[in-house]
Amino acid sequence: DIQMTQSPSSLSASVGDRVTITCRASQGISNYLAWYQQKPGKVPKLLIYAASTLQSGVPSRFSGSGSGTDFTLTISSLQPEDVATYYCQKYKSAPFTFGPGTKVDIK
Amino acid sequence: QLQLQESGPGLVKPSETLSLTCTVSGGSISSSSYYWGWIRQPPGKGLEWIGSIYYSGSTYYNPSLKSRVTISVDTSKNQFSLKLSSVTAADTAVYYCARHLRAVRGLITDLYYFDYWGQGTLVTVSS
Repeated sequence: DIQMTQSPSSLSASVGDRVTITCRASQGISNYLAWYQQKPGKVPKLLIYAASTLQSGVPSRFSGSGSGTDFTLTISSLQPEDVATYYCQKYKSAPFTFGPGTKVDIK
Repeated sequence: QLQLQESGPGLVKPSETLSLTCTVSGGSISSSSYYWGWIRQPPGKGLEWIGSIYYSGSTYYNPSLKSRVTISVDTSKNQFSLKLSSVTAADTAVYYCARHLRAVRGLITDLYYFDYWGQGTLVTVSS
């Protein structure tokens, strides 16, 4: 089975900073990768699919890139409402594995 | 607007079977475009996909849980259900139901990201 890893596991940044989270798959998954945002005590929310396609309604400060085994989620200008844990997930074929998550908070 | 709602006991004894139901409203579970899945999240930990089902009853399970998991569907009630047997404290988690897109390439079915989620229900395994 394909394993998903994320780095860093947590980060602290200032409002307005550019934030980058990395997700790596143990085997190539083309662009079959999604990113989710989970705010404290809330349900995970789909942010990005197909590695770089923004889900409807997601602010444009979020972007995704990558293909194969290496992917990134970027927040161009961190806002207080972006405090959350971010998960990547591979899809297309089972098992649909999630990464361990990256916790983002404000410095 | 599609909505999913989990229901079931919040407390299950060790060695017993956890049973949850997800009721889908605002859309048909019998759509050919979607599979319906279960995901769980232990307190303070990450997300784990449990399994998914199509309205016809076709299923995919996480290999790590396959021996203990059964997912079923009741199209007449627009519901699908999860049973997890022989539970231990390690099965304590928030359990979510969710929808994912289905795409077919010849004889191969591809399942995509989870776009709609239920609110989740906490199940605690304790005597």
